[in-house]
Amino acid sequence: TQLLEQSPQFLSIQEGENLTVYCNSSSVFSSLQWYRQEPGEGPVLLVTVVTGGEVKKLKRLTFQFGDARKDSSLHITAAQPGDTGLYLCAGRGWDYTNAGKSTFGDGTTLTVKP
Amino acid sequence: DADVTQTPRNRITKTGKRIMLECSQTKGHDRMYWYRQDPGLGLRLIYYSFDVKDINKGEISDGYSVSRQAQAKFSLSLESAIPNQTALYFCATSDSAGSSYNEQFFGPGTRLTVL
Repeated sequence: TQLLEQSPQFLSIQEGENLTVYCNSSSVFSSLQWYRQEPGEGPVLLVTVVTGGEVKKLKRLTFQFGDARKDSSLHITAAQPGDTGLYLCAGRGWDYTNAGKSTFGDGTTLTVKP
Repeated sequence: DADVTQTPRNRITKTGKRIMLECSQTKGHDRMYWYRQDPGLGLRLIYYSFDVKDINKGEISDGYSVSRQAQAKFSLSLESAIPNQTALYFCATSDSAGSSYNEQFFGPGTRLTVL
């Protein structure tokens, strides 16, 4: 079973602060996604990282895939209240059985106070 | 209009009742999934389907069944609901042809309460 651990589980910060959340596993993934979920809604895809060491930027959000493809991080610069939500990482396996499925982490709940 | 819709959005039922949650999509994707979300436990896969003739169990399929009536429709049934099935249920789709990364698109969810 492939497991993804996210940390911290909860994070509460003031507007303007920077933060990093982590997604770690002992398994290797062929690709990894980050989703954001707001209350009362389903998760929405933010980014997919594919190559070990890859860095992708989405406005104030920076995503990195570990060199060994076992971990990832999400860094937010100058957080805003609109960034509040549950951040989920999801990894896709290599073999045929797991290639069509994703393993989700437990999520990081971020609250950005004005 | 939403690409992935779920009905009902909220449901309260009693222990032992049979209920069905429905999912429809207009994205034209071949793969569909049912997940359950509990506080602090992320998303857990119940069942998934790669096409109309393909149904697979996920990590927590006990007590659930599914039906893929068409490429666009995937239903989840609880044959005899029990209180620990109280949770948020999400349907999702992905396109095997468009992306090899299994990027998923989620519906708005169904909040189910079993009394």
